[in-house]
Amino acid sequence: GAGVSQSPSNKVTEKGKDVELRCDPISGHTALYWYRQRLGQGLEFLIYFQGNSAPDKSGLPSDRFSAERTGESVSTLTIQRTQQEDSAVYLCASSLNRGETQYFGPGTRLLVL
Amino acid sequence: KQEVTQIPAALSVPEGENLVLNCSFTDSAIYNLQWFRQDPGKGLTSLLLIQSSQREQTSGRLNASLDKSSGRSTLYIAASQPGDSATYLCAVNDYKLSFGAGTTVTVRA
Repeated sequence: GAGVSQSPSNKVTEKGKDVELRCDPISGHTALYWYRQRLGQGLEFLIYFQGNSAPDKSGLPSDRFSAERTGESVSTLTIQRTQQEDSAVYLCASSLNRGETQYFGPGTRLLVL
Repeated sequence: KQEVTQIPAALSVPEGENLVLNCSFTDSAIYNLQWFRQDPGKGLTSLLLIQSSQREQTSGRLNASLDKSSGRSTLYIAASQPGDSATYLCAVNDYKLSFGAGTTVTVRA
Protein backbone atom coordinates (compact mmCIF):
# COMPACT_ATOMS: atom_id res chain seq x y z
CA GLY A 1 0.00 0.00 0.00
CA ALA A 2 0.93 3.67 -0.10
CA GLY A 3 3.51 4.96 2.31
CA VAL A 4 3.61 8.24 4.20
CA SER A 5 3.40 11.20 1.87
CA GLN A 6 4.32 14.83 2.52
CA SER A 7 3.77 18.04 0.66
CA PRO A 8 5.26 20.22 -0.55
CA SER A 9 8.56 18.48 -1.13
CA ASN A 10 10.35 21.83 -1.15
CA LYS A 11 9.36 25.22 0.18
CA VAL A 12 11.22 28.51 -0.04
CA THR A 13 9.81 31.39 1.96
CA GLU A 14 10.80 34.80 3.21
CA LYS A 15 11.53 35.50 6.83
CA GLY A 16 8.37 36.48 8.66
CA LYS A 17 5.96 34.55 6.45
CA ASP A 18 3.81 31.68 7.67
CA VAL A 19 4.16 28.20 6.16
CA GLU A 20 2.02 25.09 6.31
CA LEU A 21 3.37 21.59 5.80
CA ARG A 22 1.18 18.57 5.18
CA CYS A 23 1.49 14.89 6.06
CA ASP A 24 -0.66 11.98 4.91
CA PRO A 25 0.04 8.94 7.11
CA ILE A 26 -0.35 5.31 6.17
CA SER A 27 -4.02 4.38 6.26
CA GLY A 28 -5.02 2.83 9.57
CA HIS A 29 -2.05 4.17 11.50
CA THR A 30 -3.24 5.71 14.74
CA ALA A 31 0.03 7.40 15.69
CA LEU A 32 1.65 10.28 13.80
CA TYR A 33 4.89 12.09 14.54
CA TRP A 34 6.71 15.17 13.29
CA TYR A 35 10.51 15.47 13.40
CA ARG A 36 12.96 18.10 12.21
CA GLN A 37 16.48 17.71 10.83
CA ARG A 38 18.53 20.86 10.54
CA LEU A 39 21.58 20.84 8.30
CA GLY A 40 24.40 18.84 9.84
CA GLN A 41 22.35 17.99 12.92
CA GLY A 42 20.42 14.99 14.16
CA LEU A 43 16.69 14.45 14.00
CA GLU A 44 14.64 16.17 16.68
CA PHE A 45 11.19 15.13 17.83
CA LEU A 46 8.57 17.88 17.52
CA ILE A 47 5.08 16.53 18.22
CA TYR A 48 3.13 13.27 18.53
CA PHE A 49 -0.53 12.47 17.89
CA GLN A 50 -2.25 9.29 19.06
CA GLY A 51 -5.84 8.80 17.97
CA ASN A 52 -8.11 11.35 19.58
CA SER A 53 -5.88 11.90 22.61
CA ALA A 54 -4.30 15.27 23.37
CA PRO A 55 -1.06 15.57 21.37
CA ASP A 56 2.38 15.52 22.99
CA LYS A 57 3.79 18.92 22.03
CA SER A 58 6.89 18.65 24.21
CA GLY A 59 9.32 18.92 21.28
CA LEU A 60 7.95 22.08 19.69
CA PRO A 61 10.76 24.68 19.84
CA SER A 62 8.58 27.76 20.23
CA ASP A 63 4.98 28.96 20.20
CA ARG A 64 5.41 29.85 16.53
CA PHE A 65 5.07 26.13 15.83
CA SER A 66 1.71 24.36 15.93
CA ALA A 67 0.23 21.21 14.46
CA GLU A 68 -3.17 19.69 13.95
CA ARG A 69 -4.46 16.29 13.01
CA THR A 70 -7.99 15.43 11.98
CA GLY A 71 -8.91 12.11 13.54
CA GLU A 72 -6.51 9.49 12.24
CA SER A 73 -5.82 11.16 8.93
CA VAL A 74 -3.96 14.17 7.59
CA SER A 75 -1.79 16.37 9.77
CA THR A 76 -0.56 19.89 9.15
CA LEU A 77 2.44 21.56 10.79
CA THR A 78 2.26 25.34 10.77
CA ILE A 79 5.20 27.66 11.40
CA GLN A 80 4.26 31.28 11.93
CA ARG A 81 6.58 34.24 11.37
CA THR A 82 9.33 31.99 10.03
CA GLN A 83 12.93 32.64 11.01
CA GLN A 84 16.11 31.57 9.22
CA GLU A 85 16.83 29.01 11.93
CA ASP A 86 13.61 27.23 10.95
CA SER A 87 15.32 26.11 7.75
CA ALA A 88 15.40 22.32 7.92
CA VAL A 89 13.92 19.13 6.58
CA TYR A 90 10.62 18.39 8.31
CA LEU A 91 9.85 14.69 8.45
CA CYS A 92 6.57 13.03 9.25
CA ALA A 93 6.20 9.43 10.41
CA SER A 94 3.31 7.16 11.30
CA SER A 95 2.94 3.89 13.17
CA LEU A 96 0.11 1.44 13.65
CA ASN A 97 0.10 2.09 17.36
CA ARG A 98 2.21 3.81 19.97
CA GLY A 99 5.67 2.26 20.28
CA GLU A 100 5.53 0.31 17.03
CA THR A 101 7.68 0.65 13.91
CA GLN A 102 7.63 4.18 12.55
CA TYR A 103 7.53 4.70 8.79
CA PHE A 104 8.82 7.98 7.48
CA GLY A 105 7.74 10.18 4.62
CA PRO A 106 10.24 11.78 2.20
CA GLY A 107 10.21 15.07 4.09
CA THR A 108 9.64 18.73 3.25
CA ARG A 109 12.75 20.85 2.75
CA LEU A 110 12.09 24.32 4.10
CA LEU A 111 14.38 27.22 3.30
CA VAL A 112 13.76 30.56 4.96
CA LEU A 113 15.52 33.44 3.25
CA LYS B 1 16.14 12.87 28.71
CA GLN B 2 17.26 10.02 26.47
CA GLU B 3 20.75 10.50 25.01
CA VAL B 4 21.79 8.34 22.04
CA THR B 5 25.40 8.10 20.89
CA GLN B 6 26.73 6.43 17.76
CA ILE B 7 30.33 5.44 17.26
CA PRO B 8 32.14 5.80 14.95
CA ALA B 9 30.87 8.94 13.22
CA ALA B 10 32.29 7.74 9.91
CA LEU B 11 33.63 4.50 8.51
CA SER B 12 35.30 3.61 5.21
CA VAL B 13 35.87 -0.02 4.27
CA PRO B 14 36.74 -2.02 1.16
CA GLU B 15 33.97 -4.01 -0.48
CA GLY B 16 33.42 -7.39 1.13
CA GLU B 17 34.44 -6.39 4.62
CA ASN B 18 31.98 -6.76 7.50
CA LEU B 19 30.67 -3.57 9.12
CA VAL B 20 30.11 -3.04 12.84
CA LEU B 21 28.14 0.03 13.92
CA ASN B 22 27.64 0.87 17.57
CA CYS B 23 24.84 2.66 19.39
CA SER B 24 24.52 3.46 23.08
CA PHE B 25 21.64 5.00 25.03
CA THR B 26 21.18 6.28 28.56
CA ASP B 27 17.63 5.26 29.56
CA SER B 28 16.70 1.57 29.31
CA ALA B 29 12.93 2.20 29.58
CA ILE B 30 12.24 1.71 25.88
CA TYR B 31 9.66 -0.04 23.70
CA ASN B 32 12.17 -0.95 21.06
CA LEU B 33 15.14 0.23 19.06
CA GLN B 34 15.12 0.90 15.34
CA TRP B 35 17.97 1.08 12.87
CA PHE B 36 17.47 3.29 9.82
CA ARG B 37 19.36 4.06 6.68
CA GLN B 38 19.45 7.57 5.24
CA ASP B 39 20.69 8.27 1.74
CA PRO B 40 21.77 11.82 0.81
CA GLY B 41 18.79 14.06 0.16
CA LYS B 42 16.33 11.31 0.92
CA GLY B 43 14.12 10.19 3.77
CA LEU B 44 14.66 7.39 6.25
CA THR B 45 14.38 3.70 5.43
CA SER B 46 13.68 1.39 8.36
CA LEU B 47 16.13 -1.53 8.41
CA LEU B 48 15.45 -3.43 11.59
CA LEU B 49 13.41 -3.09 14.74
CA ILE B 50 14.36 -4.91 17.93
CA GLN B 51 11.73 -5.17 20.64
CA SER B 52 12.94 -4.42 24.16
CA SER B 53 12.40 -8.09 25.08
CA GLN B 54 14.58 -9.33 22.21
CA ARG B 55 18.33 -9.79 22.10
CA GLU B 56 18.77 -10.01 18.35
CA GLN B 57 17.05 -9.42 15.02
CA THR B 58 18.19 -10.47 11.55
CA SER B 59 17.26 -9.48 8.02
CA GLY B 60 19.39 -10.78 5.16
CA ARG B 61 22.93 -9.50 5.60
CA LEU B 62 21.89 -7.34 8.55
CA ASN B 63 21.98 -8.40 12.16
CA ALA B 64 21.24 -6.18 15.12
CA SER B 65 21.76 -6.98 18.77
CA LEU B 66 20.33 -5.27 21.83
CA ASP B 67 21.60 -5.28 25.39
CA LYS B 68 19.05 -3.14 27.20
CA SER B 69 20.70 -3.47 30.60
CA SER B 70 23.93 -1.93 29.36
CA GLY B 71 22.19 0.46 26.97
CA ARG B 72 23.84 -0.82 23.81
CA SER B 73 22.92 -1.99 20.34
CA THR B 74 25.17 -3.10 17.50
CA LEU B 75 24.34 -3.34 13.81
CA TYR B 76 26.36 -5.84 11.80
CA ILE B 77 26.38 -5.74 8.02
CA ALA B 78 27.99 -8.78 6.43
CA ALA B 79 29.97 -8.74 3.20
CA SER B 80 29.54 -5.01 2.54
CA GLN B 81 28.76 -3.72 -0.93
CA PRO B 82 29.14 -0.23 -2.47
CA GLY B 83 25.34 0.06 -2.36
CA ASP B 84 25.56 -0.08 1.45
CA SER B 85 27.15 3.37 1.44
CA ALA B 86 24.81 5.62 3.43
CA THR B 87 24.31 7.11 6.88
CA TYR B 88 23.01 4.63 9.44
CA LEU B 89 20.90 5.97 12.29
CA CYS B 90 20.02 4.31 15.55
CA ALA B 91 16.78 5.44 17.21
CA VAL B 92 15.49 4.53 20.64
CA ASN B 93 11.72 4.32 20.87
CA ASP B 94 10.05 5.29 24.12
CA TYR B 95 7.00 6.12 21.95
CA LYS B 96 8.87 9.00 20.30
CA LEU B 97 12.19 8.33 18.63
CA SER B 98 15.43 9.69 20.01
CA PHE B 99 18.09 9.55 17.32
CA GLY B 100 21.82 9.26 17.39
CA ALA B 101 23.87 11.48 15.11
CA GLY B 102 24.53 8.59 12.74
CA THR B 103 27.46 6.70 11.27
CA THR B 104 28.34 7.58 7.69
CA VAL B 105 29.54 4.49 5.87
CA THR B 106 31.53 4.42 2.64
CA VAL B 107 32.15 1.07 0.98
CA ARG B 108 34.94 1.28 -1.58
CA ALA B 109 34.69 -0.86 -4.70
